[in-house]
Amino acid sequence: DIQMTQSPSTLSASVGDRLTITCRASQSISSWLAWYQQRPGKVPTLLIYKASSLETGVPLRFSGSGSGTEFTLTISSLQPEDFATYYCQQYNSYSLTFGGGTKVEIK
Amino acid sequence: EVQLLESGGGLVQPGGSLRLSCAASGFIFDTLAMSWVRQAPGKGLDWVSTINFSGGSTYYPDSVKGRFTISRDNSKNTLYLQMNSLRADDTAVYYCAPSTTSAYFQHWGRGTLVTVSS
Repeated sequence: DIQMTQSPSTLSASVGDRLTITCRASQSISSWLAWYQQRPGKVPTLLIYKASSLETGVPLRFSGSGSGTEFTLTISSLQPEDFATYYCQQYNSYSLTFGGGTKVEIK
Repeated sequence: EVQLLESGGGLVQPGGSLRLSCAASGFIFDTLAMSWVRQAPGKGLDWVSTINFSGGSTYYPDSVKGRFTISRDNSKNTLYLQMNSLRADDTAVYYCAPSTTSAYFQHWGRGTLVTVSS
């Protein structure tokens, strides 16, 4: 199975900060990577698919990049509603696997 | 509007069985794969199973293989998950989600809670 490792696991930041979250795959997954946001008590929502394609309706401050084994999710200017947990997910092959999550907290 | 309504969760003893259902609407059900993803309390997301559009292919991680069975009834727009030999570490909210051949998840149900405890 392909293992997905996210870092950091927790991140403290302030409104307006630029944030980068990293996701590493244990083997190449080409660009078959998605990013999700999950606010406390809510269902996950899709942000990015195919590593860098922005889901319809997602603010432009979110962007994704990478291919192969290393990927990043960037939030250009953190907003109050962005304090949440973020997950990456590979869909290169079954078993599908998620990263362990990155919790973005208020500094 | 895509709607996914999971049901069937509850409290079950270790070793017991439970059948989850997911009623889908707002999209052409028999053209999309369907998956179950779970989330243990305070933990991350964990893929449980996927079934292709026709029901002819199914996929499981080793953690549930041989214990869980995914199925679908395209005439009823409903997805199922039969869970047997349940263990405490199966305790989670179970979500259903459709996908294309690219298995990422644009839409999620609200989930149903399964608690395995004596």
